[in-house]
Amino acid sequence: AQTVTQSQPEMSVQEAETVTLSCTYDTSESDYYLFWYKQPPSRQMILVIRQEAYKQQNATENRFSVNFQKAAKSFSLKISDSQLGDAAMYFCAYRSPLGTSGSRLTFGEGTQLTVNP
Amino acid sequence: NAGVTQTPKFQVLKTGQSMTLQCAQDMNHEYMSWYRQDPGMGLRLIHYSVGAGITDQGEVPNGYNVSRSTTEDFPLRLLSAAPSQTSVYFCASSYVGFLGSPLHFGNGTRLTVT
Repeated sequence: AQTVTQSQPEMSVQEAETVTLSCTYDTSESDYYLFWYKQPPSRQMILVIRQEAYKQQNATENRFSVNFQKAAKSFSLKISDSQLGDAAMYFCAYRSPLGTSGSRLTFGEGTQLTVNP
Repeated sequence: NAGVTQTPKFQVLKTGQSMTLQCAQDMNHEYMSWYRQDPGMGLRLIHYSVGAGITDQGEVPNGYNVSRSTTEDFPLRLLSAAPSQTSVYFCASSYVGFLGSPLHFGNGTRLTVT
C-alpha cells in the first residue's frame, strides 16, 4: 500500500524568507502524480503544485517549487519570499490508479506552517 | 461557476441517527469522491465513483453508503451514526482517466456525533 509521510507537524518562517516542507512516499508503482495542497483556516483545499512521476524537471508555480527525487521517493515543497497568506496546513498527496478507471489520492499527515511578520 | 458544493456545512447527530451529506458539481467531472479528515491523519478516501451508476469503496468505507444516479450528484449516507464518524468530510471531483487532473474540493462538512 502507498504511504505518504510528512515528518514535520509544524514549521515556522519569517515573512519574506524561504521555507522547505518535507514529504516522502512509499510505492512500487511507476505511474503516479504528486501534489501539494494548502488548507487555510477556511478549511478549503487549494492545489498548490503538482508533479508527474515521469518528469525529471521539478515543477514551479510562482513562489512555489518542488524538489522531486524519484529514487529517494522524496517530494519537498519550497516556498520563497513567504507571505502572511501562506500560513496554512500543507498536505502532500500521491495519486495512483485504483480499480478499473478510478484513482486514489493518498495524503500525508500535514504540516502546519506559521508565517511570522 | 459554483464548482463543488457541499451541504450542510455543519451537522450534529446523536448516535444511531442517519443522515445524508450532499455533494454537487457543475464541471461535468466523471470522477467524484468522498474523503474524511481527522487530526494527524490527513484525508482518507471513503468511496468514489467514475460515472453515473458506478461506485466503489475506498480506504475507509464501513458505515457509509453512496450512490451516483447523475453525473452532477454524489451523496454520502451515514446509516447509523457512531462517535467514530465525527470528522470533517470533503467531496472532491475531477476528470477521469488522467492522474494529473487535479481534484476540486468542496468546502467540507464538519460532523459531530454525540
